[in-house]
Amino acid sequence: AQKVTQAQTEISVVEKEDVTLDCVYETRDTTYYLFWYKQPPSGELVFLIRRNSFDEQNEISGRYSWNFQKSTSSFNFTITASQVVDSAVYFCALNTNAGKSTFGDGTTLTVKP
Amino acid sequence: EAGVAQSPRYKIIEKRQSVAFWCNPISGHATLYWYQQILGQGPKLLIQFQNNGVVDDSQLPKDRFSAERLKGVDSTLKIQPAKLEDSAVYLCASSLVFRPLEQYFGPGTRLTVT
Repeated sequence: AQKVTQAQTEISVVEKEDVTLDCVYETRDTTYYLFWYKQPPSGELVFLIRRNSFDEQNEISGRYSWNFQKSTSSFNFTITASQVVDSAVYFCALNTNAGKSTFGDGTTLTVKP
Repeated sequence: EAGVAQSPRYKIIEKRQSVAFWCNPISGHATLYWYQQILGQGPKLLIQFQNNGVVDDSQLPKDRFSAERLKGVDSTLKIQPAKLEDSAVYLCASSLVFRPLEQYFGPGTRLTVT
């Protein structure tokens, strides 16, 4: 069975602070994909990143960076110099069977001006 | 390019009533998904279609939920009769057949059952 745990239910930071959202996953499959999505108040899920299980390279995209560590089954997401527009619910997801993803329960990030 | 469209955006019904949601996927996307997102939880896949055929409906409560995609484009999800625990956001997503990991989500329908 697949499981994704986002232990942080809510995080509040002040603008320009760095913030890290944690994601821990469980799977017995050796091939899998990990995702991060952003869900703004408008409701739709916005894709941020996908990594496969064979690629442990960290990735940076602007103010966003992701740290994938298979040894600890973690795929953490860091926002550098946070902005008010980053306020949203962020979901980590795991996919081991094309199309069927298991989502964590999300972390609500509030960035205060 | 137009995104995934859903309607209505909001719906309030009483328990035991029926309700239907509509989804129009991105043009050319043969695969369509319905997710249920209960408040405070992540989305859970209810049903996956490829064209007008069902690929996976293992988590669909078939005693009260039904879904169809008759012409392989638009889809409707129905609940009959609704229960209080069905209150949730129902998200529709679509993808190309050979890119199931690239799912595009609609804005969702927020259902409140009183």
